[in-house]
Amino acid sequence: AAGVIQSPRHLIKEKRETATLKCYPIPRHDTVYWYQQGPGQDPQFLISFYEKMQSDKGSIPDRFSAQQFSDYHSELNMSSLELGDSALYFCASRLPGGYTEAFFGQGTRLTVV
Amino acid sequence: AQKITQTQPGMFVQEKEAVTLDCTYDTSDPSYGLFWYKQPSSGEMIFLIYQGSYDQQNATEGRYSLNFQKARKSANLVISASQLGDSAMYFCAMREPNYGGSQGNLIFGKGTKLSVKP
Repeated sequence: AAGVIQSPRHLIKEKRETATLKCYPIPRHDTVYWYQQGPGQDPQFLISFYEKMQSDKGSIPDRFSAQQFSDYHSELNMSSLELGDSALYFCASRLPGGYTEAFFGQGTRLTVV
Repeated sequence: AQKITQTQPGMFVQEKEAVTLDCTYDTSDPSYGLFWYKQPSSGEMIFLIYQGSYDQQNATEGRYSLNFQKARKSANLVISASQLGDSAMYFCAMREPNYGGSQGNLIFGKGTKLSVKP
């Protein structure tokens, strides 16, 4: 079965650089979420999209932005990277409505040096 | 505000035995969903089981069952016949209601690290 695809899987950037993370949801899933998981932490919600429109916003820094495109894939853009941005970034998708489960991608591990 | 509490940072279980991972939640909304996810050391987040607040019966999925006690606001995960491959971090999560265009993001607990001993 198709799963959520995230790219790249690993990324190393220097401070003050920019990074773009990509997420391809499961076909027919039109809701996408982004989460940030720091080392030894639980995932923290950043932002979500439904039908290509921003739905909810969590603890996403102003330096980050995201969008969902016409083919439902989503990109998380991160600028002026800081050491504290080093984390595992997850994208998740689900079918709309009710309490259907969200399926997570394998994550992008970002290391800022 | 909604909150998930997992009070067991780490647990050990002998292979082939059952283990219960605790989860309590706090919400004032009568409608919510509860989820358990498994995160192995490789990092991916794997969905295990779901319980709706209005479900009358406890959810089960293979060796996983959810002991849902609504009055106590607890949603403990029971893993039967533990296997070495069950060693991982386990997160309890709750979905906020879908109101006013919100798509209900997940709120996670701090997780419990389960180690299965041979």
